[in-house]
Amino acid sequence: AQSVTQLGSHVSVSEGALVLLRCNYSSSVPPYLFWYVQYPNQGLQLLLKYTSAATLVKGINGFEAEFKKSETSFHLTKPSAHMSDAAEYFCAVSDIGSSNTGKLIFGQGTTLQVKP
Amino acid sequence: NAGVTQTPKFRVLKTGQSMTLLCAQDMNHEYMYWYRQDPGMGLRLIHYSVGEGTTAKGEVPDGYNVSRLKKQNFLLGLESAAPSQTSVYFCASSAPRLAGVLKYYNEQFFGPGTRLTVL
Repeated sequence: AQSVTQLGSHVSVSEGALVLLRCNYSSSVPPYLFWYVQYPNQGLQLLLKYTSAATLVKGINGFEAEFKKSETSFHLTKPSAHMSDAAEYFCAVSDIGSSNTGKLIFGQGTTLQVKP
Repeated sequence: NAGVTQTPKFRVLKTGQSMTLLCAQDMNHEYMYWYRQDPGMGLRLIHYSVGEGTTAKGEVPDGYNVSRLKKQNFLLGLESAAPSQTSVYFCASSAPRLAGVLKYYNEQFFGPGTRLTVL
């Protein structure tokens, strides 16, 4: 069965610093992976996705993630944090074992704080 | 397109009361989902539907019922609300997208959420 682990429930960075949010997955088959962002009092919005094409995936708002099969990781990065990046971030993997119900398995989430 | 909409945005119930949350999508998606979000627990799937007239249990279905009478709507019902059901509820929809030869993935689109408090 697939699973997702996000390392660190809270990450704090200074404005302009590198953002690194960690996500490790467990899957017996090549996975489809997603990063979602949730701004305060809003729903989840897709940042980027990995669907077995390029291993380095670029998303919205300057974020990118690299799929590393050997490390079973899909970490999210942004070179320079902006105050508007403060939000909760979720990593998710497709639940392929459920015969295409489209279900996703979510990590516990990481809250990103950006300090001025 | 409005995408995924949820009604109501906020609700306060007393223990034992019932209510229905409505989710609507205008993207002609086959699949729809109801989640609850609680602090430190991420999103947990309550029920889902892979098409009109079909529903299935997710990870935490107890105390909830759902119906999908129309493709664009997915209703979540609480027959007898309990304080443990205080949460933020999200609806999502998706449709298969081609990822390769005979390979598909699903990108879920989320509604804005309903904040429910049960006293």
